This record gives sequence, structure tokens and C-alpha cells, in this order.
Amino acid sequence: DAGVIQSPRHEVTEMGQEVTLRCKPISGHNSLFWYRQTMMRGLELLIYFNNNVPIDDSGMPEDRFSAKMPNASFSTLKIQPSEPRDSAVYFCASSGPGAVYEQYFGPGTRLTVT
Amino acid sequence: AQSVSQHNHHVILSEAASLELGCNYSYGGTVNLFWYVQYPGQHLQLLLKYFSGDPLVKGIKGFEAEFIKSKFSFNLRKPSVQWSDTAEYFCAVSSRGSYIPTFGRGTSLIVHP
Repeated sequence: DAGVIQSPRHEVTEMGQEVTLRCKPISGHNSLFWYRQTMMRGLELLIYFNNNVPIDDSGMPEDRFSAKMPNASFSTLKIQPSEPRDSAVYFCASSGPGAVYEQYFGPGTRLTVT
Repeated sequence: AQSVSQHNHHVILSEAASLELGCNYSYGGTVNLFWYVQYPGQHLQLLLKYFSGDPLVKGIKGFEAEFIKSKFSFNLRKPSVQWSDTAEYFCAVSSRGSYIPTFGRGTSLIVHP
């Protein structure tokens, strides 16, 4: 299995631009999580999907952030407009049958907003 | 709401030294417990987990953790660390039946050769 796949791995953009991060969970996993990691705040859960449905989005910072999961094998996290304080590493993780409580993390997207 | 506290933010050791990283959580019910490791520049990987049974859990790379229910603790240990253990270590807790873990802030471990 290829594991959780995220793209791009690095993104540098200017303030005000739209940023879209992508995630492909492990095949067969039905739960997907988006996290943000910063030095100041550590690892924060942004949103959790189960069977493609957003279950908990209480961690989404503000309306500039949105996430979708149109099918079981793809999710996006969009920031529009982006701000310098959004600079962080964004991780996607998935879990599923046989390991429902364990999370498998992707390599992350390092976002820099200038 | 549950919380996870990792007491040591930064730990520096020499190779062959013993390691113990503290993790305490606040939740009165049954829990699932995890330790994840993040090597420099890499993603988080599961090191070990506890759901039930023997409170002493063996993980990969010689790591182990002990669940002490009365102390709400799940400390990570390794008898003899190696330079390659240099990484960030995260404790995580979820309530039984929940798919959403709460992560601690992490402990940065540096092992000098």
C-alpha cells in the first residue's frame, strides 16, 4: 500500500491567493482527518470526515478554510484567501476497518504564505 | 473535554542513556492510548498503542509504555536510546468509541552520539 498521499509537498504562495491541498487516504479507510502543525500550537485537528461526511469541523479556524471529500479516495483542504499566519505543515491522516482507532499520516504539505 | 499533558518539552540524552517521557491525560472514562513518533522532516508514525489488557505495551524499535490507570498516565520508555531515536514524540488519547484522538504538544528528543 502506498500509504496516505498528499500533494503538493511544498507550497509557497502570496498572501491573498487561494491554496488547495490534496489528500488520498489509504484504500479501504473510511475516516479522514486534516491536521495543522505549527511550533506555537502543536498539532491541531481541523476537520474529521467519516464515510465522506464531515463529522467534526470545530477545529477549522475560520471561514477562509473549507474542506471537501467528494469520494472515499480524495479530499481537499482549501484556504481562500491565504494569510501569512496560515503558514504551517498540514497533515492528512486516515483510519479504517481493522485499525479504526489508529491514524496513518501522510507526509504533509509545508505551506508558506508570504 | 479531554486533555493530554506531556511534561517534558525538550529532552537531550547521550547514546545508551535510558529514556522516559511522561504523558498524563484528563478523562475519567475508558481510553485508547497512543504514542506517535515524528522523525525530522517526516510524518507521524504509530510507535505503540494500548486498548486493553496488559498495561505494559511493547512497541517498535525497543520502545515500551506503561498504562497506570490510577495515575492517568501512559509514560514511554526505552532502556538504551540511539542517535536514530532523535525525533518528536507525541502522546495521544481517545475515549473508547471515539475516532478522534487528542494529541499532546510533543516532546523533542535529541540523542547525542
